[in-house]
Amino acid sequence: DSGVTQTPKHLITATGQRVTLRCSPRSGDLSVYWYQQSLDQGLQFLIQYYNGEERAKGNILERFSAQQFPDLHSELNLSSLELGDSALYFCASSVRRITDTQYFGPGTRLTVL
Amino acid sequence: LAKTTQPISMDSYEGQEVNITCSHNNIATNDYITWYQQFPSQGPRFIIQGYKTKVTNEVASLFIPADRKSSTLSLPRVSLSDTAVYYCLVGDGQGGKLIFGQGTELSVKP
Repeated sequence: DSGVTQTPKHLITATGQRVTLRCSPRSGDLSVYWYQQSLDQGLQFLIQYYNGEERAKGNILERFSAQQFPDLHSELNLSSLELGDSALYFCASSVRRITDTQYFGPGTRLTVL
Repeated sequence: LAKTTQPISMDSYEGQEVNITCSHNNIATNDYITWYQQFPSQGPRFIIQGYKTKVTNEVASLFIPADRKSSTLSLPRVSLSDTAVYYCLVGDGQGGKLIFGQGTELSVKP
């Protein structure tokens, strides 16, 4: 158990819909990272937040957005969903820097029908 | 942007040493190299991290040459439970982005 929790575990929705994925970091970790893992793209870094502020951006689509709240939990919002958005979405947390060891949550499996 | 390249798959037998190499061009001066292990339907798990030369912990060693354009994860005496996908991760130094390799699927046979 990494100490990072993600909800929900599974999510099935339809094209065009909007969903929110939630992540709670390990106690004491200030940075949260979001990743997408699909069969054809592998693990892709989406975005990092540090203590409530956006710190780094990867291959995140404009239809996707994230935020980190004062209690340090984070949410990833995916809108206008397409079939290709079906993937595993992982959240990870670390103490501070992007080069610190990251601890990954169990993931949310999103299926878009 | 940095690009990382790993072998897609490797086979080994129990008790052997396994070396997985990752090539990472354009690695930035401040970037670290981290290796993760992933089992099916689980999140990646940290194995080892280094900046240069050699790092060793209780499960693996990491060799990084002076030019830092590659790194080699060494797993001593693998067992069946080491069958997993192994990823290298480097920061590309461009706004803090992180680049994963495509992963190496290691299969350990009895």
